[in-house]
Amino acid sequence: DIQMTQSPSSLSASVGDRVTITCRASQSISTYLNWYQQKPGKAPKLLIYAASSLQRGVPSRFSGSGSGTDFTLTISSLQPEDFATYYCQQSYSSPYTFGQGIKLEIK
Amino acid sequence: QVTLKESGPALVKPTQTLTLTCTFSGFSLSTSGMRVSWIRQPPGKALEWLARIDWDDDKFYSTSLKTRLTISKDTSKNQVVLTMTNMDPVDTATYYCARTETGPRFDPWGQGTLVTVSS
Repeated sequence: DIQMTQSPSSLSASVGDRVTITCRASQSISTYLNWYQQKPGKAPKLLIYAASSLQRGVPSRFSGSGSGTDFTLTISSLQPEDFATYYCQQSYSSPYTFGQGIKLEIK
Repeated sequence: QVTLKESGPALVKPTQTLTLTCTFSGFSLSTSGMRVSWIRQPPGKALEWLARIDWDDDKFYSTSLKTRLTISKDTSKNQVVLTMTNMDPVDTATYYCARTETGPRFDPWGQGTLVTVSS
């Protein structure tokens, strides 16, 4: 199975900050990488698919990049509603594994 | 509008078999390219993909759980059913179903159903 590792393990930031979250795959997955946002008590929501494509309806302050084994999710200017947990997920091959999640907290 | 909703028991005993149903609307699993997956999340922990079923009845399973899982569909009822045998307290989690688009990517998700395994 492909292992997905996210860093940092936790993150504190302020409204207006630019934030970058990293995800690393245990083998090359090309651009088969998706990002999800999850708020407490809610189901995850797809933000970015195929490493850099913005899902319909997702604000443009979210962006994704990377290929191979290293990927990033960037939020250009944090808004209060962005404080949540973020997961990466590889879609290169079954089983489709997730990272451990990064909780983005208010500083 | 695509919606999915999970249903099933909130409490199961160890060694029992869990049966969960995902009822969806807004798409048909008889349409080429359509897929549905199950994903779970233990309290306070990360997401874990479990299984996927495709429009052509292809099925895919988690490596670590494949001996315990069965996924099936009832196209006429717009439902996908997941069974998991020999339940254990470590299987306590919120279980989600999600439409699985080409990629594959999971969107949208159901609201989830919490299953507790306890005697």
